Amino acid sequence: GQQLNQSPQSMFIQEGEDVSMNCTSSSIFNTWLWYKQDPGEGPVLLIALYKAGELTSNGRLTAQFGITRKDSFLNISASIPSDVGIYFCAGQLLQWGNTGKLIFGQGTTLQVKP
Amino acid sequence: NAGVMQNPRHLVRRRGQEARLRCSPMKGHSHVYWYRQLPEEGLKFMVYLQKENIIDESGMPKERFSAEFPKEGPSILRIQQVVRGDSAAYFCASSLTAGGGTDTQYFGPGTRLTVL
Repeated sequence: GQQLNQSPQSMFIQEGEDVSMNCTSSSIFNTWLWYKQDPGEGPVLLIALYKAGELTSNGRLTAQFGITRKDSFLNISASIPSDVGIYFCAGQLLQWGNTGKLIFGQGTTLQVKP
Repeated sequence: NAGVMQNPRHLVRRRGQEARLRCSPMKGHSHVYWYRQLPEEGLKFMVYLQKENIIDESGMPKERFSAEFPKEGPSILRIQQVVRGDSAAYFCASSLTAGGGTDTQYFGPGTRLTVL
């Protein structure tokens, strides 16, 4: 089945630093999503990407949909303490025979030191 | 504009008991997905339902697990004769359509199931 490899697994950074994480897949997707999950809560959508090569920003967050459709990255600029949490990438393949289920990466745990 | 609601938020069961998890999708959404998250892992797809129909259950264990989404009321994920390995967080997500374009899945807060 489809698998997503997300890296790094965890990051411990200083407040104000930039962060980068990425996901790679063994097969293509036509949608990439980035979610953030706080402890005890469900994932919250941060950015959605729908076209290969697309670069999208949401405040201090920037994400790109790789040209090969097999990868995506998320950057967070000037990190702040509330950025702490677990970040997940998710891929979706919408075509005949696929019902829109999301395939998730293993998550990147981000800790920010004030 | 209420989001996806799940209850209970926490559920404790003893081995062999039944667990019922409920999910009310966002208003107007008729597509529901269930995912399971084991500790320290990402979410894994279980089942996708539309009103009164199971569309994709390729991620559901073959035994003890069932799901429904009746015409009226919430979607239910039911686990019979729970075992310790069923302990996990179970998330429900809903979407307006089956996906495509700018439609995305919105997640509920999850139900944390603990099997003693």
